[in-house]
Amino acid sequence: DTGVSQDPRHKITKRGQNVTFRCDPISEHNRLYWYRQTLGQGPEFLTYFQNEAQLEKSRLLSDRFSAERPKGSFSTLEIQRTEQGDSAMYLCASSLVEGAYYEQYFGPGTRLTVT
Amino acid sequence: SQKIEQNSEALNIQEGKTATLTCNYTNYSPAYLQWYRQDPGRGPVFLLLIRENEKEKRKERLKVTFDTTLKQSLFHITASQPADSATYLCALEDWRGAQKLVFGQGTRLTINP
Repeated sequence: DTGVSQDPRHKITKRGQNVTFRCDPISEHNRLYWYRQTLGQGPEFLTYFQNEAQLEKSRLLSDRFSAERPKGSFSTLEIQRTEQGDSAMYLCASSLVEGAYYEQYFGPGTRLTVT
Repeated sequence: SQKIEQNSEALNIQEGKTATLTCNYTNYSPAYLQWYRQDPGRGPVFLLLIRENEKEKRKERLKVTFDTTLKQSLFHITASQPADSATYLCALEDWRGAQKLVFGQGTRLTINP
C-alpha cells in the first residue's frame, strides 16, 4: 500500500508527558500537512511543509507543539507537557502540488488520549 | 468572521433516494471547494473538487454544484446505498489565505435499507 501512513494509531499518555507522532507521506508528494480533529468536528489545520520547509503554523499550534520534516520525507509532530485538551485525532495528509488545484490524501490518524 | 457550515449534523435517507448535503461559507473567497468522505476511525478520503469558475461536477453517482453568488455548494448522491453511509466534509481554500484547507464540521449521512 503506497498511501499515507501514521504511527502510532493510538496513544494513551498521562498529562504532562511528551508524545511524538510520525507521518510517512506518499513518496512523490511535496507537501505535507498536519490537522487535529475532535469528535463531531472537521479537521483543523495545524501546520504544513513544502518539501522540508515549514511554511505556516496555525495559532492553534502552541509553543508545546513542534513539527519537523527532515529531508522532505517523513514528518514528526511532538507535543510537550500534554494537557487533557490535547486529546484528539491527529491527521496527516500529503499532496503533489504542481498547479493551483490539488486534493489531499489523508492518513488513518493517530488518536491521542491524555489522562 | 469567517465560517464554513454544513447544513445539518445528521441526515437519514431511504435507500435509492437522492441525498443532498449543503455547505455554506461566509467571508471566504475560495479558489475551489472540495468534498471528502470520512468513515469512523479513518482519515478523510477525497471525492470531488470544483473550481470557482465551474458550476457543476459529476463523478459516477456523485454531483457537486458551486454557486459563488450564494456562497454555497451542494453535494448530491443519487441512487443512494447503505454503503454510502459516512460523514461527508466540505473544505475550501481561500485565495487570500495560506495554502491550507478549511473544513466544515461534517454531515453524518445514514442510508436506511
